[in-house]
Amino acid sequence: GNSVTQMEGPVTLSEEAFLTINCTYTATGYPSLFWYVQYPGEGLQLLLKATKADDKGSNKGFEATYRKETTSFHLEKGSVQVSDSAVYFCALSANAGNMLTFGGGTRLMVKP
Amino acid sequence: DTAVSQTPKYLVTQMGNDKSIKCEQNLGHDTMYWYKQDSKKFLKIMFSYNNKELIINETVPNRFSPKSPDKAHLNLHINSLELGDSAVYFCASSQASSGRAARTQYFGPGTRLTVL
Repeated sequence: GNSVTQMEGPVTLSEEAFLTINCTYTATGYPSLFWYVQYPGEGLQLLLKATKADDKGSNKGFEATYRKETTSFHLEKGSVQVSDSAVYFCALSANAGNMLTFGGGTRLMVKP
Repeated sequence: DTAVSQTPKYLVTQMGNDKSIKCEQNLGHDTMYWYKQDSKKFLKIMFSYNNKELIINETVPNRFSPKSPDKAHLNLHINSLELGDSAVYFCASSQASSGRAARTQYFGPGTRLTVL
């Protein structure tokens, strides 16, 4: 079956530090890959996505590249801000019904 | 304007009761979903529904049932509530998938269900 594994948190960084959150996946077929962000007390918001190998998704300074050879979709940001503090979810969709399979989430805490 | 809305935001109830959570989307999407987020933040798909088919995650107990009065609504009914049903439930919607690429899902704010 499909599965997503992402690094456990919390990840604690100082403002302006470089961020990497690792995500690897197992899927049949050709999945689409997503990063969602959940701010405290809110629902999930799409951060970025990639639908085929070597695609790079980017938004708000965050980037992730779809690596088929390593089955990975690592999230990166060059300089984090306090406002980036949230839980980040890696997810894939590779089945009928467009259903998402999520990783366990990684909590990011950015200190001033 | 809220794209995907859920009511209520909080729901506290006793074991054994039957309850419903409502979901509405004004995005014109034709596919809707329900997800469960447990206390450790782990998210799991429960249902995917459009006007053609309902896809159920096989791990979901049959006490849970989605009801769709029209394309803009997908309500979640839960019978005989159990302590383990306590969680945050998220509704989402998207356009139907076309080709190989999956469609982006837009999530509601969530409903926190507490079963006592």
